[in-house]
Amino acid sequence: DTAVSQTPKYLVTQMGNDKSIKCEQNLGHDTMYWYKQDSKKFLKIMFSYNNKELIINETVPNRFSPKSPDKAHLNLHINSLELGDSAVYFCASSQYTGTSGSNEQYFGPGTRLTVT
Amino acid sequence: GNSVTQMEGPVTLSEEAFLTINCTYTATGYPSLFWYVQYPGEGLQLLLKATKADDKGSNKGFEATYRKETTSFHLEKGSVQVSDSAVYFCALSATGNQFYFGTGTSLTVIP
Repeated sequence: DTAVSQTPKYLVTQMGNDKSIKCEQNLGHDTMYWYKQDSKKFLKIMFSYNNKELIINETVPNRFSPKSPDKAHLNLHINSLELGDSAVYFCASSQYTGTSGSNEQYFGPGTRLTVT
Repeated sequence: GNSVTQMEGPVTLSEEAFLTINCTYTATGYPSLFWYVQYPGEGLQLLLKATKADDKGSNKGFEATYRKETTSFHLEKGSVQVSDSAVYFCALSATGNQFYFGTGTSLTVIP
């Protein structure tokens, strides 16, 4: 069974469109994340949810809106797509321990978004 | 604040060479430290971790020791293989839910 899954794996779309990426984890974790990885492999945290509550909201354009319907799901909706949004988007999950932060994060396979 | 600094790549080695990828960190409190590996076209996978000072994490021939005195967590492998070609990320988790990742080091092993 896949621990963290994302759909779709590839997404090609035109500028100005609206698209969504879905993420699901079956690990029973309480925290989920969205990262953006650029062409130089740099990972940037975008959002994090703990028990459906938004806890990390980095400097990301308002066109990006996360939604967590339950602990096992975290979706990312992007409005008015721009060329600069082209990247690989990773979902991840972890279990918050409190004392020393979280246990290790488990990553999904990524969604390669190409905006033309 | 919390941050991770790792050596810049790319790194190119011949098969069976010794590998070291340096990683140093700045953190408040007592962080846990991790190395992740990303193979081409895939997501990040946990390679090894250490949760307290002097712990040694190891997996698949890779090792890293949590050194509090030098705030370091260098990744080493005695004899690399072509299949080790990937991007390696150092990361820390301190208080709170956020992880801090280094910029990644690309490793290419040539036969």
